[in-house]
Amino acid sequence: GQNIDQPTEMTATEGAIVQINCTYQTSGFNGLFWYQQHAGEAPTFLSYNVLDGLEEKGRFSSFLSRSKGYSYLLLKELQMKDSASYLCAVWRGGYQKVTFGIGTKLQVIP
Amino acid sequence: DGGITQSPKYLFRKEGQNVTLSCEQNLNHDAMYWYRQDPGQGLRLIYYSQIVNDFQKGDIAEGYSVSREKKESFPLTVTSAQKNPTAFYLCASSREASYNEQFFGPGTRLTVL
Repeated sequence: GQNIDQPTEMTATEGAIVQINCTYQTSGFNGLFWYQQHAGEAPTFLSYNVLDGLEEKGRFSSFLSRSKGYSYLLLKELQMKDSASYLCAVWRGGYQKVTFGIGTKLQVIP
Repeated sequence: DGGITQSPKYLFRKEGQNVTLSCEQNLNHDAMYWYRQDPGQGLRLIYYSQIVNDFQKGDIAEGYSVSREKKESFPLTVTSAQKNPTAFYLCASSREASYNEQFFGPGTRLTVL
């Protein structure tokens, strides 16, 4: 089966840094996506990792280790608007094979 | 502006009635998807379509049906056979299989009374 694990909830302080981890065990791996989803809204694309290492994009960075089946999303200089769920998703190839984790609900507090 | 639209945002139906959720995209994407999202669970794939007049079952297709008569449109029908239809439904599209970034519509929250 396909398995993606993320923490259910996290809390962090405005201005701080938070790391959201994702581990996966899937049959096949083409790449890993991170999406942000505000409550009641559609997920929006944050990052895509294919190769091992860190990809930086402004305040957000994403890391991948394929040998360990591990990724993390790093959010710096947290803002209140960053309060949302963060979905880790593994693409196993082809159109249909994207498996989503349950998402990590991040609450940013003043 | 290009994007994906779903309507309505909120939908209420009586138990035993079929209901159709609309999804339209003007991104010229070949592939389209329907997902269901429930509290405490990840997005689960219901159906997907790679090209017009073709679609495939996802992980939880029972009680649902789709059609893909036009590239822009991929409506989902929730039938009375679906045992637990109340959920948040998301439609998505992607450009091609070689890079499967999916663009999502705003979703439809269906409540069956």
